[in-house]
Amino acid sequence: DGGITQSPKYLFRKEGQNVTLSCEQNLNHDAMYWYRQDPGQGLRLIYYSQIVNDFQKGDIAEGYSVSREKKESFPLTVTSAQKNPTAFYLCASSYGRYSYEQYFGPGTRLTVT
Amino acid sequence: GIQVEQSPPDLILQEGANSTLRCNFSDSVNNLQWFHQNPWGQLINLFYIPSGTKQNGRLSATTVATERYSLLYISSSQTTDSGVYFCAVDGSEKLVFGKGTKLTVNP
Repeated sequence: DGGITQSPKYLFRKEGQNVTLSCEQNLNHDAMYWYRQDPGQGLRLIYYSQIVNDFQKGDIAEGYSVSREKKESFPLTVTSAQKNPTAFYLCASSYGRYSYEQYFGPGTRLTVT
Repeated sequence: GIQVEQSPPDLILQEGANSTLRCNFSDSVNNLQWFHQNPWGQLINLFYIPSGTKQNGRLSATTVATERYSLLYISSSQTTDSGVYFCAVDGSEKLVFGKGTKLTVNP
């Protein structure tokens, strides 16, 4: 089955620790995205990548970092510099750039205390 | 940047009722998608509809690009339709989401 997987589903960390969220897709999509969702809100773009070894900042990139070493994988690191890291994180992919239909993974709920 | 407004913010229905959700956007778009976010947080693609009309079972959507709005119709609603419905459009090289319509369907 083709799709997008994110792991883990739930993640708990202590303040001051970096944490990496996994996102893998087997849809052969070129573009991948990371979004953040806070309770009762829409999604906000953190980072996106249109091709391997290239990525761009979204609206709320501060305190986050990404890498795109393989087409299938786009991990997101939430660093200790992110002031309010507790949120629901969603990964997405699309065949091409933003005008193409995006598909989403199941998400990771991160809680930092 | 492009603005996306969804209405109503909340909607409560009895099972079997019909509903219409609206999405207004402030500029021309090449991509408009409707999603359903289920209670577990998963975003399910409903429609990719930058213009025209599409139907999928009890759901249908219409986008009037020249007037910058899209409508999502849900007929004969079921309790499993509950959740949040998001509209998203492309703007400045990214997908911009509205704040969603929270739908509750009571048995």
